[in-house]
Formats: sequence, structure tokens, C-alpha cells
Amino acid sequence: NAGVTQTPKFQVLKTGQSMTLQCAQDMNHEYMSWYRQDPGMGLRLIHYSVGAGITDQGEVPNGYNVSRSTTEDFPLRLLSAAPSQTSVYFCASGGGGRLGYTFGSGTRLTVV
Amino acid sequence: TQLLEQSPQFLSIQEGENLTVYCNSSSVFSSLQWYRQEPGEGPVLLVTVVTGGEVKKLKRLTFQFGDARKDSSLHITAAQPGDTGLYLCARGDSNYQLIWGAGTKLIIKP
Repeated sequence: NAGVTQTPKFQVLKTGQSMTLQCAQDMNHEYMSWYRQDPGMGLRLIHYSVGAGITDQGEVPNGYNVSRSTTEDFPLRLLSAAPSQTSVYFCASGGGGRLGYTFGSGTRLTVV
Repeated sequence: TQLLEQSPQFLSIQEGENLTVYCNSSSVFSSLQWYRQEPGEGPVLLVTVVTGGEVKKLKRLTFQFGDARKDSSLHITAAQPGDTGLYLCARGDSNYQLIWGAGTKLIIKP
């Protein structure tokens, strides 16, 4: 089925470890983004991309890196995990603001 | 910051009742989207409204975009337990970016 695939579903990291959250879409969307969702704070944009080779920062980019080498893939890297990065992470792709976005099922990350 | 305010933050009602949730902004926006998020899943797009005064219906859900394009509402008729979830509104402007409300957590009790 077409959509956005995120892996892993769950992850526990120790403080200081690094990891990459994977995101892939098969809808040929130019726009992809990463959000984090925390209780009471809604969805906050971390990084986004409007096409292969183009990325930009969102509202809360510190501690995260992204790259977009292909249209399909948009991985999110945590450089040195901190407890404040404990959250649920969502990847989304879409064709534009009015067309809506398709979200992955999320990665629940705990940093201890 | 052009915020979106959703109200109420939390709503718990009995099956069969009607309800309305609201999404308001202090500034005009070009479009507004409503999403529903179930526990453990990502948000799923329900509808996009783009024209002031527009009304869209999706089975028992009625979405309205205010005439002044600063507010929107979602009305659910005869709520069912399957309607339980977090309802999010998001405004879209001239580019790809969305600004999100904090959501209304809805619980429908059998």
C-alpha cells in the first residue's frame, strides 16, 4: 500500500548515543518533514525538505540532522541523544499545503 | 507567531450525543485541514477547507470554514466510540508549511 513507512516503531537509547530514524514514501511527494509530538505541546516541526538535495530547519531543529539524497527517503539523525529528546516522532509527506499530508505511524523514542 | 487555538482541549461524552470542536486564529489563513489521530498512530487527514463559508460533510462529520477565514468548526452528529481520538486542525499558508493546533482529545463512551 502507498504511504509513509517509518522505522523503527520503538527505540530506547542511552544519553549520548546516536541513531537514525528512517522514513520512506512511495507517493513521489516533493515535500517531506519530521515532527515531534509531546503531551500538551502538539506537533512541532523539526526539519523539512521541499525536494531532493534541499532541507531546512523547522521550529525545533537543535540536536537533529537530516539529508535528502532521493525523493523517497528522508532520514532523521539524532547526533547525541538527550532525555529531552524523549518523544514520539512522525514523518510526513505531501504535495502542498492545501493537499494535506500523509503521516507515518511514528517512532516512540525514549532516552534514558 | 500565528497560533491556532483549539477548544475544548478535552471532551468526554456518551455515545449518541452531538458535539462541536473549534479551531480559531487571530489572522486570516488560506486553507485549513482537519486530522484525526488514534492512539499509537499518525494523524490522518479528514478534510481540507479553502473557501470562506465552505461546509463539507463526511458521513456524520460536518466541517465549516468561517466566512472571515479565521476559524473553523467540526461537528459530529450521533457520536460513536469509533470517533474517539485526537482531533487536530492545521492551517496552510502560501507554501508547504502547516501551523498546528494543540488538538482536542475526544472520548466517546459506549
